Amino acid sequence: DADVTQTPRNRITKTGKRIMLECSQTKGHDRMYWYRQDPGLGLRLIYYSFDVKDINKGEISDGYSVSRQAQAKFSLSLESAIPNQTALYFCATSDSGTGNYGYTFGSGTRLTVV
Amino acid sequence: QKEVEQNSGPLSVPEGAIASLNCTYSDRVSQSFFWYRQYSGKSPELIMSIYSNGDKEDGRFTAQLNKASQYVSLLIRDSQPSDSATYLCAVKGSKTSYDKVIFGPGTSLSVIP
Repeated sequence: DADVTQTPRNRITKTGKRIMLECSQTKGHDRMYWYRQDPGLGLRLIYYSFDVKDINKGEISDGYSVSRQAQAKFSLSLESAIPNQTALYFCATSDSGTGNYGYTFGSGTRLTVV
Repeated sequence: QKEVEQNSGPLSVPEGAIASLNCTYSDRVSQSFFWYRQYSGKSPELIMSIYSNGDKEDGRFTAQLNKASQYVSLLIRDSQPSDSATYLCAVKGSKTSYDKVIFGPGTSLSVIP
C-alpha cells in the first residue's frame, strides 16, 4: 500500500458543485500539505497543517477549505468548483522530528471542472 | 524575480552523458535545498537534499550548493533513458514563520538512447 494515498485519482465535476479530495498517510508524519500543479506554474501551496489543531493558508487558498480529521487524514474541499480549479492536486507529508524537510507526495488527483 | 528559477528545457543529453540541471533562488537565508524527480503524470519523488555548501553524492546523482551565489545544481552521471523526467528544484527558507518550501517550475530532461 502507498504511504500517502489520495482519493479519487481522477474526478470530473460540474461548475458550482462541492467536491472533496481526501488524503491519508501511514508514514506517521505530523505535517501535511495540499498543492496544485498547473502546466507552466509549477507546484503551488493551497493549505498546510502542522498538527490536528493547526491549519494554515498557503499561497492560493481562495475557493478552498481543508479539514485535518486526524494526524493521518487531511482533506481538501472545493466549496463551489470553477473551471480554473482544473488541475493536478497533490497531498504531501513531512516529519518535523527528523530534521529532513523533504516531502513525500501522494499519487495525485486529476480534477477537471466543466 | 521569481523565488526559485530553473531553465524549463527540454534538456536533451545522449545516453551515458552527464546531465546538468541548474537552479537559482532569491531568498538569501534559505537553508535547505531539494531535488525532486517527476515522471509524466506521476507525483514528485525526492531524490536529493542538501543543506551545506559543497557537493553531496548519492549514486549517479550529485547535488552542488553555492549559497554565496544562491545556486544549486544536480548532476546526473551516466544518464539513462529512465532518467527522462522533469526535475523540480525546491528551496526551504529558515527565517519564515513556517515550513515554507518553494518549488521551481521544473526542467524537463530527455535522455536519448
